[in-house]
Amino acid sequence: AQSVAQPEDQVNVAEGNPLTVKCTYSVSGNPYLFWYVQYPNRGLQFLLKYITGDNLVKGSYGFEAEFNKSQTSFHLKKPSALVSDSALYFCAVRDGGAGKSTFGDGTTLTVKP
Amino acid sequence: ETGVTQSPTHLIKTRGQQVTLRCSSQSGHNTVSWYQQALGQGPQFIFQYYREEENGRGNFPPRFSGLQFPNYSSELNVNALELDDSALYLCASSLVQQGATSPLHFGNGTRLTVT
Repeated sequence: AQSVAQPEDQVNVAEGNPLTVKCTYSVSGNPYLFWYVQYPNRGLQFLLKYITGDNLVKGSYGFEAEFNKSQTSFHLKKPSALVSDSALYFCAVRDGGAGKSTFGDGTTLTVKP
Repeated sequence: ETGVTQSPTHLIKTRGQQVTLRCSSQSGHNTVSWYQQALGQGPQFIFQYYREEENGRGNFPPRFSGLQFPNYSSELNVNALELDDSALYLCASSLVQQGATSPLHFGNGTRLTVT
């Protein structure tokens, strides 16, 4: 069975500071990893994915994520946070290229001016 | 391109009733999946449809059923509603093809309240 853990319910950072949202995963085969963002009363929006290749993946809105196979982690990062980045962030792992996605319980990111 | 649309946006039902939620996939996508998101939790996989057939199911009872139509639109049906069925129901479409891994494209969801 596959699973995702987001150990922090809440992350608070000041605007302009770097941010990290943590994610660890468990999957039997090769991991297909994703980050999504959710704004209030909206569906999830895709940010970035890791399938294979370079361990540092770049995505939308200046976000990036680092895949670490030995630590089974896929942390979301951004060098300089914006107030508009405040939202709920979900990490997900997929069972193969076409299988179901399993999501973490989400991390609320708050960026203060 | 047209995104994923869901209807209705909000719905209130009574315990024991039946409900149908609808989803129109993003154009060009051939796979649709449904998720249940309870308050404060991540989306939970209900099932997935590919070429009008269910090809994956999560830990949900048979009273949760679905359909995918030739135009890739989809329905989620829930019978004998229970209070715990109150949640945001998300539809997501994606393109499944050889050698490619498409992310999920979500609609804004249907907020179901069971009283």
